[in-house]
Amino acid sequence: NAGVMQNPRHLVRRRGQEARLRCSPMKGHSHVYWYRQLPEEGLKFMVYLQKENIIDESGMPKERFSAEFPKEGPSILRIQQVVRGDSAAYFCASSPVDSQQFFGPGTRLTVL
Amino acid sequence: AQTVTQSQPEMSVQEAETVTLSCTYDTSENNYYLFWYKQPPSRQMILVIRQEAYKQQNATENRFSVNFQKAAKSFSLKISDSQLGDTAMYFCAFMKANDMRFGAGTRLTVKP
Repeated sequence: NAGVMQNPRHLVRRRGQEARLRCSPMKGHSHVYWYRQLPEEGLKFMVYLQKENIIDESGMPKERFSAEFPKEGPSILRIQQVVRGDSAAYFCASSPVDSQQFFGPGTRLTVL
Repeated sequence: AQTVTQSQPEMSVQEAETVTLSCTYDTSENNYYLFWYKQPPSRQMILVIRQEAYKQQNATENRFSVNFQKAAKSFSLKISDSQLGDTAMYFCAFMKANDMRFGAGTRLTVKP
């Protein structure tokens, strides 16, 4: 059973471009979470999704950020018109119902 | 909202000795989970140990053990016989339902 997979592992974008981060949960997991980690800080919750539904997006910036978890395929975290402050490591986690979260390796986004 | 506090930004320990990392949290909930995660330079989030709040017995995993004081809302991690490979960031986390919150982390260095 493969773990949580994220791609790309590293992503470089120029200011104003779009960034798309993908997360494939572990087999059998229907819950996906996205976190952001700024340098020298802990992980900050962004959004919690189940298949085709956003359950909690209280940690997501209101503008430029969106997330989806379609019926088929990976979960996508999308950042439009990136700015330098978006540079961070973005982690995805998945879980079965109300249980321990398993983390992916993260995507490091660098905005030039 | 739940908050998690790690009051030690950095710690060091000599190889083979014991070190304790502190964590306190604030919640009005009675049932919840607590975790310690290790993040080495690879940035992978690795689960070290977990504790269910309804269990009075402290969790233990080989060289890692916790001191869970529910009334004091304290959850410290003890690493015995420290090894060079234990050098990493350590994050304490609180989870209720699907809501997980992290502390800011403690950078642990094991010295030869």
